[in-house]
Amino acid sequence: GEDVEQSLFLSVREGDSSVINCTYTDSSSTYLYWYKQEPGAGLQLLTYIFSNMDMKQDQRLTVLLNKKDKHLSLRIADTQTGDSAIYFCAETSSGGSYIPTFGRGTSLIVHP
Amino acid sequence: DAGVTQSPTHLIKTRGQQVTLRCSPISGHKSVSWYQQVLGQGPQFIFQYYEKEERGRGNFPDRFSARQFPNYSSELNVNALLLGDSALYLCASRPKTNRAQGNDTQYFGPGTRLTVL
Repeated sequence: GEDVEQSLFLSVREGDSSVINCTYTDSSSTYLYWYKQEPGAGLQLLTYIFSNMDMKQDQRLTVLLNKKDKHLSLRIADTQTGDSAIYFCAETSSGGSYIPTFGRGTSLIVHP
Repeated sequence: DAGVTQSPTHLIKTRGQQVTLRCSPISGHKSVSWYQQVLGQGPQFIFQYYEKEERGRGNFPDRFSARQFPNYSSELNVNALLLGDSALYLCASRPKTNRAQGNDTQYFGPGTRLTVL
């Protein structure tokens, strides 16, 4: 089956940039997503990118997609303590099911 | 507009009991999906419903069942609860989209935290 892999932890200082990486195996991936989950809460959609795009920027968030290497990254500029959360990468394939496959999540810890 | 809502927020059950979780999608969304998120893992797909019909089922035992109502709300039922069913159960809704024009995006509710003792 399809796999989505993420590193489990990332620690940064407040004000620095954070880069969270994700790799996936499904070559028919259509959309790739980043979700944020704060403690005890559901998943909040941060941004998504269509598979025919290389980059998408949305305020402090920049998503880069390398389709050849099946690598997705999320860059958070000027990281704040409020950005501390678990970030999930997810992908949907072109098979028509609209069912995303999620990674295990990267826990971002922002130090003051 | 209200987001996806789920009830209850927390639930404690004992092994062997049955539980029903409820979800109301975003207004206008006709598709509802259910996910199980065990601590330290990403969400795992359980069911997808669209227009009251089951459109997908994940690798979960028959103890798990669901349905969607005419108003597009949904219930997830789990029978004969096991300790391993303890998890955050997430509901997500999705608008009807044309992939050529839109996206597959699902919008998640806050979840129901189920603890099985």
